[in-house]
Amino acid sequence: QVQLVQSGAEVKKPGSSVKVSCKASGGTFSSYTISWVRQAPGQGLEWMGRIIPILGIANYAQKFQGRVTITADKSTSTAYMELSSLRSEDTAVYYCARVQADSSGYPFDYWGQGTLVTVSS
Amino acid sequence: QSVLTQPPSVSAAPGQKVTISCSGSSSNIGNNYVSWYQQLPGTAPKLLIYDNNKRPSGIPDRFSGSKSGTSATLGITGLQTGDEADYYCGTWDSSLSAEVFGGGTKLTVL
Repeated sequence: QVQLVQSGAEVKKPGSSVKVSCKASGGTFSSYTISWVRQAPGQGLEWMGRIIPILGIANYAQKFQGRVTITADKSTSTAYMELSSLRSEDTAVYYCARVQADSSGYPFDYWGQGTLVTVSS
Repeated sequence: QSVLTQPPSVSAAPGQKVTISCSGSSSNIGNNYVSWYQQLPGTAPKLLIYDNNKRPSGIPDRFSGSKSGTSATLGITGLQTGDEADYYCGTWDSSLSAEVFGGGTKLTVL
């Protein structure tokens, strides 16, 4: 069974950076696209970007360009999302999600449990 | 402001049917496949429908999806109290080169 297990909650100061990990098990990590989606308190889902581990290619939502870096370590089946220049509006639960392979679109079939990042002075 | 538009809330009685709409444009729903997600309180989203109308293994046929033009619809029949959740539509937006979501619809089973 596929599982995505994320790192624990973080409390960060404004202006600092945070790096969240997402370790995959039960599937062929390199073959799948991993996306990062965040959800601010009481708000909806917001896509941040994605990476194809086998290619090492990442794409980012325009809103986060220059502030987010998504990487993947094939040797440990782990994806990472680093967000810099944190501000209070970045307080949210951050999810990693796997894109289903056998589909015409890009549905997210497995999700991590979420990582709460709190930005506060 | 979400790229896709969903009603903030819908409600219906147990056993009844409800539909949730998702409206977009030609750059997203009109030319791409739609997915639907269920998010129970305090949990990660769960894939309910993909490729407009397909159900992943384990999703009961009470859940259905359809798409017409630049709109999509999620249908839920035989409502149960356990269906109370937030529901999100999502698709790729070719102009933004990004996955986009609706703002979410809170389902209340009265």
